[in-house]
This record gives sequence, C-alpha cells and structure tokens, in this order.
Amino acid sequence: AQSVSQHNHHVILSEAASLELGCNYSYGGTVNLFWYVQYPGQHLQLLLKYFSGDPLVKGIKGFEAEFIKSKFSFNLRKPSVQWSDTAEYFCAVRTNTDKLIFGTGTRLQVFP
Amino acid sequence: EAGVVQSPRYKIIEKKQPVAFWCNPISGHNTLYWYRQNLGQGPELLIRYENEEAVDDSQLPKDRFSAERLKGVDSTLKIQPAELGDSAVYLCASGDRVKNTEAFFGQGTRLTVV
Repeated sequence: AQSVSQHNHHVILSEAASLELGCNYSYGGTVNLFWYVQYPGQHLQLLLKYFSGDPLVKGIKGFEAEFIKSKFSFNLRKPSVQWSDTAEYFCAVRTNTDKLIFGTGTRLQVFP
Repeated sequence: EAGVVQSPRYKIIEKKQPVAFWCNPISGHNTLYWYRQNLGQGPELLIRYENEEAVDDSQLPKDRFSAERLKGVDSTLKIQPAELGDSAVYLCASGDRVKNTEAFFGQGTRLTVV
C-alpha cells in the first residue's frame, strides 16, 4: 500500500537555526509531491509542490524542497527559521491515480 | 474568489446521534475530497469525488458514514449513528484535475462526540 513517512514528529529550534524535515514515500509510479503547512487555528495551506522538471523547488516564505527519486524522498528545508514558522508541516504524495496521501505531520516549534 | 467553505466549524453531539457536514468547493473544481484528521495525525482520506462520481471510497466506513455530491458541486458527509471514536476534524478539499492543481482545503469541522 502507498504510504508517506515523516521521520520527525516534533522539532524544536531557536530562531535563525536551519531546518530540514524528512519525507519518504512508498509508491513506484509517477508522483506529484507537496508540502502543506497548518498554522495554529488555520487551515492547511500549500507551501510548495513538485510535478516535474527541476527537482529542487522553492516555495513561499523561503522554504525549499528537493525531490530525490532514487531515495523516494522529498525533504523540506529552510536555512534560517523564524518564530512565525511555528506550525505543523505535512508531506503529501499524489499518485498517478490521483490518490492524495498525507504523512503524519511534523510539529515545529521555533523559540525566539 | 472564495476558498473551500465548510460548515459548521464546530459540532458537539451525543453518541448515537446523527451528524452532517457540508462543503462548498472552489467554483469549477471537479475533484472533491473528504478527509478525517485525528489529533496529532495527518489527514486520512475518506472519499474522493470526480464531479458527482465517488471514485475512491475504499476508506469510508460504510456502515455508518455516507456522502453525496449532487450535481457535482456541493457535498455532504453524514455519520449515523456517531460513536465516540468519530471525534476528529473533518476536512474538505477541492482541486482541478484538468489543470492539475493542488488540493485546496477548507477550515474543517471539528466534531466532538460525547
């Protein structure tokens, strides 16, 4: 069965620290990849997406992610986090049958 | 343009009672998803529609859950009867398969069964 794994359940950082959140998926076919963010009290919002082309994609608020096909990974990165990045982050995979599967999420807390 | 609209935002019911959630997707979006999100977990798909057809309902507990999307626009998700374990946030999302967009989510309905 298709699945998405997020290795970090809870990450605590100080402002200006670098961030990398892991995401691996299990599906052998063509995929679209997404990172969504959920700020406290708000709905899920798209952070960035990968459909094809350059495997390094840039999203909003300085976030980027790299698709490594051989590792079935789509890790999220940000060189310097801010307090306002405190949120829950979800990796998602859409299969070629349009099934959209989410990981369990990573809670990020950034302290000033 | 308005995003995905869900109502109600919150619902508290006693167990064994019925409950219904409503979703109005973004205009023109043919794909509609219902997800359930338990506390500390990621969204889990319940059902996906393409227009008015349910194309993936394999995760929908059909003994108590039902959904419909009449005319391929608005959708309702119903639980009858509700159980304590149904307490969760129910999320609706929509997307445009033709334009290959991402899924856009509503605010969700937080259900508490007591």
